[in-house]
Amino acid sequence: DSGVTQTPKHLITATGQRVTLRCSPRSGDLSVYWYQQSLDQGLQFLIQYYNGEERAKGNILERFSAQQFPDLHSELNLSSLELGDSALYFCASSVDRGNTQYFGPGTRLTVL
Amino acid sequence: AQSVAQPEDQVNVAEGNPLTVKCTYSVSGNPYLFWYVQYPNRGLQFLLKYITGDNLVKGSYGFEAEFNKSQTSFHLKKPSALVSDSALYFCAVRDRDTGFQKLVFGTGTRLLVSP
Repeated sequence: DSGVTQTPKHLITATGQRVTLRCSPRSGDLSVYWYQQSLDQGLQFLIQYYNGEERAKGNILERFSAQQFPDLHSELNLSSLELGDSALYFCASSVDRGNTQYFGPGTRLTVL
Repeated sequence: AQSVAQPEDQVNVAEGNPLTVKCTYSVSGNPYLFWYVQYPNRGLQFLLKYITGDNLVKGSYGFEAEFNKSQTSFHLKKPSALVSDSALYFCAVRDRDTGFQKLVFGTGTRLLVSP
């Protein structure tokens, strides 16, 4: 167990809908990262937050947004969902300037 | 730009035999290198990392990896494979000389250890 928690484990929704994925980092970790794992794209970095502020952006679609709250948990919001958004979404956390990212169990999103 | 290549989609090995999972990387600066393992329906578990110093890095579950700067490689090894090692293995790189902390992953190598 990495200490990173993600909810829900599974999410099934329809095209055009909006969902929110939640992540709680390990105790003491200030940085949160979101990654998407899909069959065609592999593991792709989406976005990083550090202590409530956006630090880096990767291949994140405009339909997706994220935030990190004062208690350091993070949410990834996916809107206007398309079939191609079906994937496993991982959250990871690290101590800033620390080099190891610890991953949560992921949320499997299925868009029908 | 950073990139990682894992040239083998799958590696097959018999239990008790040594295993190697290959990884080569490309970064503009100096690398931080990582190996993660993913079991079915589970998240990524950290195995080991190379930051600096000794080129041979030891990690969890008896795994080790050797950093080779001239060959830009970071192959994962284990002297004696177990059936329970069967899983998907990912190599990842981060450029030490930039402020970005994102990891760039390879496509993964499926390890199958037969009894």
